[in-house]
Amino acid sequence: DADVTQTPRNRITKTGKRIMLECSQTKGHDRMYWYRQDPGLGLRLIYYSFDVKDINKGEISDGYSVSRQAQAKFSLSLESAIPNQTALYFCATSDLYIGQFFGPGTRLTVL
Amino acid sequence: GEDVEQSLFLSVREGDSSVINCTYTDSSSTYLYWYKQEPGAGLQLLTYIFSNMDMKQDQRLTVLLNKKDKHLSLRIADTQTGDSAIYFCAETSYGGSQGNLIFGKGTKLSVKP
Repeated sequence: DADVTQTPRNRITKTGKRIMLECSQTKGHDRMYWYRQDPGLGLRLIYYSFDVKDINKGEISDGYSVSRQAQAKFSLSLESAIPNQTALYFCATSDLYIGQFFGPGTRLTVL
Repeated sequence: GEDVEQSLFLSVREGDSSVINCTYTDSSSTYLYWYKQEPGAGLQLLTYIFSNMDMKQDQRLTVLLNKKDKHLSLRIADTQTGDSAIYFCAETSYGGSQGNLIFGKGTKLSVKP
């Protein structure tokens, strides 16, 4: 079984719709992250959480919100999706500084 | 802010060595990483190096770190077609309040048979 899972893997939605992307991990890590990947721009951090009560904005948090429901679950919401939020979204977990472990990604298309 | 730079493309022949280079600006970088992303997949942690090391070898992979020049490289020996992927360099600072990784934009490695 995968250590970091993301659902859904693909999603097509329309402008203005609310979307939630979910992430679950079985690695037992406290730290979780959401990134988006755009061609030519690499990965950019949206939000991160060091434990259940700790939520922090990343580089590009506008238009997004998150919820850390449990140590193992971290969800990302787009309250009102817009086309420039079309991207590949990755969840990651880490245990201090020994690297981050990524989920398989969610491909989101906003029409 | 901190920045990580990589060349965007590298093309090699199967069996040759590949060298992917990365430069970073954060002088307090403590941990540096190499990730591999195959088409349609997430990022896979390949290897990492602490800033108090200047080399790390793991099978076909050799990581070299020149801390003075803030230069990191990944050498893949006997490159195979299965090594074709995008390789990301990333760094983080010990004691940094975020603990997140700063990524380069990735180097696309193409291996020709």
